Amino acid sequence: EVQLVESGGTLVQPGQSLRLSCAASGFTFSNFEMTWVRQAPGRGLEWISSITGGGSKNYADSVKGRFTISRDNAKDSLYLQMNGLRVEDTAIYYCVKDGWWYYNWGQGTLVTVFS
Amino acid sequence: DIVMTQSPDSLAVSLGERATINCKSSQSVFYSSNNKNQLAWYQQKPGQPPKLLIFWAVNRDSGVPDRFSGSGSGTDFTLTISSLQAEDVAVYYCHQYYSLPRTFGQGTKVEI
Repeated sequence: EVQLVESGGTLVQPGQSLRLSCAASGFTFSNFEMTWVRQAPGRGLEWISSITGGGSKNYADSVKGRFTISRDNAKDSLYLQMNGLRVEDTAIYYCVKDGWWYYNWGQGTLVTVFS
Repeated sequence: DIVMTQSPDSLAVSLGERATINCKSSQSVFYSSNNKNQLAWYQQKPGQPPKLLIFWAVNRDSGVPDRFSGSGSGTDFTLTISSLQAEDVAVYYCHQYYSLPRTFGQGTKVEI
């Protein structure tokens, strides 16, 4: 059974940094593209970044230059380094196993940026 | 970027009645290489992550009740719940995986 468990979400102030982690299990992690999707409180879904098994990365314009996605295939883990956080980055961040459509989602981790 | 626009934003349907949600993409999401539309539908209930319902615009995921169906091609798509059940109260999103950035519709809230 595929499991994705996010961690690292917390309350931070604008301008601070945070690193989110996602522990994956139940599948051959290195074979799959992985994605971060976020959802602001009461709002819709926003794709923010993806990384292929080989490490090729893509970012939404809203986070480009501030966020960095990475993975450790030996540890079956996905990461999101978030720098220069803004109030508008407040959201639940979901780790998603990519495969064109998004079948497997984690439960999400809440990041709150408050001034 | 492909903009996904859903309509309506919300709808109230009686139990047992049909619910229809529309999704329009700003450009075609039909992929000629595999002859499929790169569109999925998700259901999200409060406090939960989204759940996949439909992929390739028309294929129901395993375990999804057959009252859910997807249709459409190119730029215009529809999710239909043929006979609304109480457990179908949720927000529904369409999603294009044709190109980056992946984009979602704004969501449609279905209520009884």
